[in-house]
Order: sequence, then C-alpha cells, then structure tokens
Amino acid sequence: GENVEQHPSTLSVQEGDSAVIKCTYSDSASNYFPWYKQELGKRPQLIIDIRSNVGEKKDQRIAVTLNKTAKHFSLHITETQPEDSAVYFCAASNSGNEKLTFGTGTRLTIIP
Amino acid sequence: GVTQSPTHLIKTRGQQVTLRCSSQSGHNTVSWYQQALGQGPQFIFQYYREEENGRGNFPPRFSGLQFPNDSSELNVNALELDDSALYLCASSFSVANYGYTFGSGTRLTVV
Repeated sequence: GENVEQHPSTLSVQEGDSAVIKCTYSDSASNYFPWYKQELGKRPQLIIDIRSNVGEKKDQRIAVTLNKTAKHFSLHITETQPEDSAVYFCAASNSGNEKLTFGTGTRLTIIP
Repeated sequence: GVTQSPTHLIKTRGQQVTLRCSSQSGHNTVSWYQQALGQGPQFIFQYYREEENGRGNFPPRFSGLQFPNDSSELNVNALELDDSALYLCASSFSVANYGYTFGSGTRLTVV
C-alpha cells in the first residue's frame, strides 16, 4: 500500500519568512495530493491540493509543487503570519482508491 | 458542514461505542478516520450509497453504517485502551476523495 513520509516534524520560522514542508510517497499510482491544516483541537482543513497532471499550484501565499518522477511534493508558505501556526498534514491518494494516506504531520510555529 | 456527535466520550475497556456523523448536504460518500495523538489520520473505512466501499487495516470490531439521508455511524465493540483517539468523519461528493470536508471529530478516551 501507499506510504507517505513527511519532513520536518517540527518547524519554527520568523514571521515574514517562508516555510517549506516536504513529503514523499511510494505508490506511483497516486495522483491526488492534498494538504491539510489542523489547529489545536480543531478539524483538519483542506488548504490546497494538486493533481498529477500539473507540477505547481498557487493560492495567494500558499503553493504546492509536485515531482512525479521523484515521487515527492512540497508545501510552500510565503510571508508567514502568526495565524499560520498549526500542524500541517500532507496526503496522497489514487483517485480510483477509496482512502487518503496521510503523513505524520509537521508542527509549524511562527515566531513573532 | 459535517457534524459529529458526541464531541467527547469516555468509555471503559470492553464496552461498545457508537459515534455519529451527518454529512455535508449533497455529499454521498462518507469516510471515517482514526487520529491518535500526534499522528496523522488513519483510514478506517468508507461508505458510498449505504455500502462499504473500502476498508483500512482495522479489525472487524470496527463497523459502520450509512443511512439514506447520508448520515453515518461508526461502531466499535470490545473497546481497547489503544482505541483512544480522535475519530474523524469526512464527506465528499464522490468516492474519488477530491475535496474532503472533515467534521470536528469525536474524542474517545478508553479507560
């Protein structure tokens, strides 16, 4: 089955700097890669996703890149703000499959 | 949105528990995930049009139901201490998993 590894497990950045979180996946059939943000005690919220037919997707300060050959994808957050502090999870799925396989999460702390 | 009940629950080892989920309007697929403390969500199973559509690596004492109104239940029998976790329900328009909407979850503590 699919295995998703996520790094780093914790990340601290100064407010205004950029943050990058990286994930690798094992199943070459995976073609959908969402990122979720989970604040303490709250539900995971989808912040951006990418499908395998594109290499990059941006939404304001957030971007995701995908390298299918290397089987890795990354989340980029620019101009970080205190409200970006949360745990971020990557995930992978085969659109014909029934489940998302999640990474182990990255705790991002923005230092004011 | 997706609503789950109860929000918190404390059960004794060996007991049975039922968790409930009401899907977002128009969504016909519901998936259940278990999130242990400090871990990513783990897929339990998915229901589509009231039929189980896939199952993760969980024992048969984890079972589910989906009702015609797209509400769903997760039942766990013979509770074990390791079942303590946040249980998340997610709904989507189809089994393709695009655009999952998670509920706030039920925090289950087994003592």
